[in-house]
Amino acid sequence: QTVVTQEPSLSVSPGGTVTLTCGLSSGSVSTSYYPSWYQQTPGQAPRTLIYNTNTRSSGVPDRFSGSILGNTAALTITGAQADDESDYYCLVYLGSGIWVFGGGTKLTVL
Amino acid sequence: QLQLQESGPGLVKPSETLSLTCSVSGGSISSSTYYWGWIRQPPGKGLEWIGSIYYSGNIYYNPSLKSRITISVDNSKNQFSLKLSSVTAADTAIYYCARDTSGYYSFEHWGQGTLVTVSS
Repeated sequence: QTVVTQEPSLSVSPGGTVTLTCGLSSGSVSTSYYPSWYQQTPGQAPRTLIYNTNTRSSGVPDRFSGSILGNTAALTITGAQADDESDYYCLVYLGSGIWVFGGGTKLTVL
Repeated sequence: QLQLQESGPGLVKPSETLSLTCSVSGGSISSSTYYWGWIRQPPGKGLEWIGSIYYSGNIYYNPSLKSRITISVDNSKNQFSLKLSSVTAADTAIYYCARDTSGYYSFEHWGQGTLVTVSS
């Protein structure tokens, strides 16, 4: 069974840049997996940030960007703000009607 | 503006069947090329994709849950539903319904979620 891997936790200073990654237990994440990224704060439903690797969802600030870095999908936050402190999840489409979420990254801004 | 709203019992007994409905407003389930999906999140844990139904009626299930899941759609009511049988405490979670971003296999619109607790 394919596992999608994310850093359990990361921290960034206000105004700093941080990159979250999304990998596969077997193989590489490519654009063919249509990686997407979601932000979730406590008690709230997930909010879609990025879809199709690097397309920002409506209303998402341009400090959030998506890409492929090596064999992983990546979410980069440039100029981090206090309210970026959240859980972030990636989602990949494995094909044949199968989606898998990563375990999530808890981002601390301090 | 598209809105999704989950509804169903908040408490289900072990071994029984969990039944949830997602009501869609601001758009038709059957009129466009979208996937409609169910995702859950146990308390304090991560997101898990449960299954999705395509507008054409094709249905896809998480292999780890496949034997217990049924997803269906009622076009006349603009709703889709989830049934999860033989539930245990491990099925306690917030259940979300969502619609994908057409053609890009991601979830764009989410319901607010509903907490289902499995307990006797």
